[in-house]
Amino acid sequence: GIQVEQSPPDLILQEGANSTLRCNFSDSVNNLQWFHQNPWGQLINLFYIPSGTKQNGRLSATTVATERYSLLYISSSQTTDSGVYFCAALQAGTALIFGKGTTLSVSS
Amino acid sequence: GAVVSQHPSRVICKSGTSVKIECRSLDFQATTMFWYRQFPKQSLMLMATSNEGSKATYEQGVEKDKFLINHASLTLSTLTVTSAHPEDSSFYICSALNPSGARIYEQYFGPGTRLTVT
Repeated sequence: GIQVEQSPPDLILQEGANSTLRCNFSDSVNNLQWFHQNPWGQLINLFYIPSGTKQNGRLSATTVATERYSLLYISSSQTTDSGVYFCAALQAGTALIFGKGTTLSVSS
Repeated sequence: GAVVSQHPSRVICKSGTSVKIECRSLDFQATTMFWYRQFPKQSLMLMATSNEGSKATYEQGVEKDKFLINHASLTLSTLTVTSAHPEDSSFYICSALNPSGARIYEQYFGPGTRLTVT
């Protein structure tokens, strides 16, 4: 099955800094999603982005399907951005496979 | 749209008993649902794929007799943990595909159920 790798595993930022999270996947995909898991465990869907670029406020994401990677950009980070960010990918007929996540800590 | 609910959100049970977790698609019909398990500080691991009206497909290493999955309708899938043991304590999350949505491969996730076995 498909392999999903995320980097870095941990990221510590000062409030206001920008960051880039990376997701590599081992094969072509039909779907790639980015999630933020809140302290209660709920997965917040950030982006559905099998290819191309999308932006939502201070967050944006880019997936380069031909090179099998996706990037999540967080600009002007806030303490509320802290938590675990997951990327997950799937091929048609299968379920989303998750990377191990990036734990982001933003301090004021 | 595309809301998935789970019930209960938290459950504590005694070792040896069985626990049922419900996953519902509230505003769409889900022919396919998925069950994941997440241990503390780890990622989500796929347990099984549930298709309405047919037997679930389990991932390697997941005991199908211990984790019973029933997808009896287009809006409900249930996971029953039978003869629960403390090592089954975990966070269980379901998700669903919306085949009639604009994004047929997008998975919508429930809020999760935290199971503690004492």
